Amino acid sequence: DTAVSQTPKYLVTQMGNDKSIKCEQNLGHDTMYWYKQDSKKFLKIMFSYNNKELIINETVPNRFSPKSPDKAHLNLHINSLELGDSAVYFCASSQSADSSNEKLFFGSGTQLSVL
Amino acid sequence: RKEVEQDPGPFNVPEGATVAFNCTYSNSASQSFFWYRQDCRKEPKLLMSVYSSGNEDGRFTAQLNRASQYISLLIRDSKLSDSATYLCVVNIYDYKLSFGAGTTVTVRA
Repeated sequence: DTAVSQTPKYLVTQMGNDKSIKCEQNLGHDTMYWYKQDSKKFLKIMFSYNNKELIINETVPNRFSPKSPDKAHLNLHINSLELGDSAVYFCASSQSADSSNEKLFFGSGTQLSVL
Repeated sequence: RKEVEQDPGPFNVPEGATVAFNCTYSNSASQSFFWYRQDCRKEPKLLMSVYSSGNEDGRFTAQLNRASQYISLLIRDSKLSDSATYLCVVNIYDYKLSFGAGTTVTVRA
């Protein structure tokens, strides 16, 4: 069983489109995250939710909107896609929001290509 | 200054060699440090946490130098399967972890 699963694995779309990436974890964790890994390989946190509550919201354009219907799911919706949004997006989860002690479990990533 | 900086490498080493590399961090108040491993086109996975006194996990040794604000990873007796990108991760504040861009290690036969 996959612990953190995200779909789709690949997403190719035109500029200006709206798309969503879904993430689910079956580990019973309280905290979920979205990270973006750009072409320079930096993994940057975008959002974090703890028990469906937003706890981290980095400087991300308003076109990105996370939604957590329950603590096992954290979806990412992106409006008006731009070329610069092309990257690999990783979902992750951890037992709690205490990053000082928590192991992050990552999904396998979604390669987003905006044409 | 970036929150976490790493030498990108690549470090090309023969099997059986020892390879070591560092990672510097900017926030002197950081309390938690980790090494993650990322294989090409795969998700990062925790390799080991880094404790104040230094710690070993098999062939891997991690050290923390608070005075100079860096952590290190040493891999002994390198295996082909150690080829990967190693990500330095530092707890910057409260709930936020900051990732370095990674150090690429290639072990050749």
